[in-house]
Amino acid sequence: GAVVSQHPSRVICKSGTSVKIECRSLDFQATTMFWYRQFPKQSLMLMATSNEGSKATYEQGVEKDKFLINHASLTLSTLTVTSAHPEDSSFYICSARDRLSSGNTIYFGEGSWLTVV
Amino acid sequence: QQQVKQSPQSLIVQKGGISIINCAYENTAFDYFPWYQQFPGKGPALLIAIRPDVSEKKEGRFTISFNKSAKQFSLHIMDSQPGDSATYFCAANMEYGNKLVFGAGTILRVKS
Repeated sequence: GAVVSQHPSRVICKSGTSVKIECRSLDFQATTMFWYRQFPKQSLMLMATSNEGSKATYEQGVEKDKFLINHASLTLSTLTVTSAHPEDSSFYICSARDRLSSGNTIYFGEGSWLTVV
Repeated sequence: QQQVKQSPQSLIVQKGGISIINCAYENTAFDYFPWYQQFPGKGPALLIAIRPDVSEKKEGRFTISFNKSAKQFSLHIMDSQPGDSATYFCAANMEYGNKLVFGAGTILRVKS
């Protein structure tokens, strides 16, 4: 099956610094990627939709200047948490839609744990 | 219109039993209904999905039942195993649409 890879899987950063998380579709082209945030024992919260070559669409309440999303190619999207604070500590998950699939299959990455100290 | 309501919140099933998780949706434009399985510390994995032109889809021990008129769909896990213990999310969106709308999740524990 299609694979979506996230890196790093775990990252610890100091408060005030920025951290970048990568999301790659390994065996398919993804015109659309999605970034989610998940708190323990809760559902996935969509943060933004990332379209290749255009600006991301952010969900209501998500600060676009804090969570910078870049989708420079059909296989790579990045999420940069700028000036991170402890409240940004969370599990960040990306997903990607296979543009060539006949249906609407969306595959998820393994997630990235961010801890801000 | 965008909500997907999932129940129960948690479920305990004996090994070999049937696990049943239910979801209901409001938006009649939804036409793609996947179920995801998530283990602790991992991303969700697509388990099985259904479109509204069929009432049931079976893949191994996993079956989706779909009731279009009631706007409900459910996941049945037959012969539940301890390895099935995970969080299950139902979701919905429109074909070729973008956003997946997720249910709140069900924590399943299969007792051996």
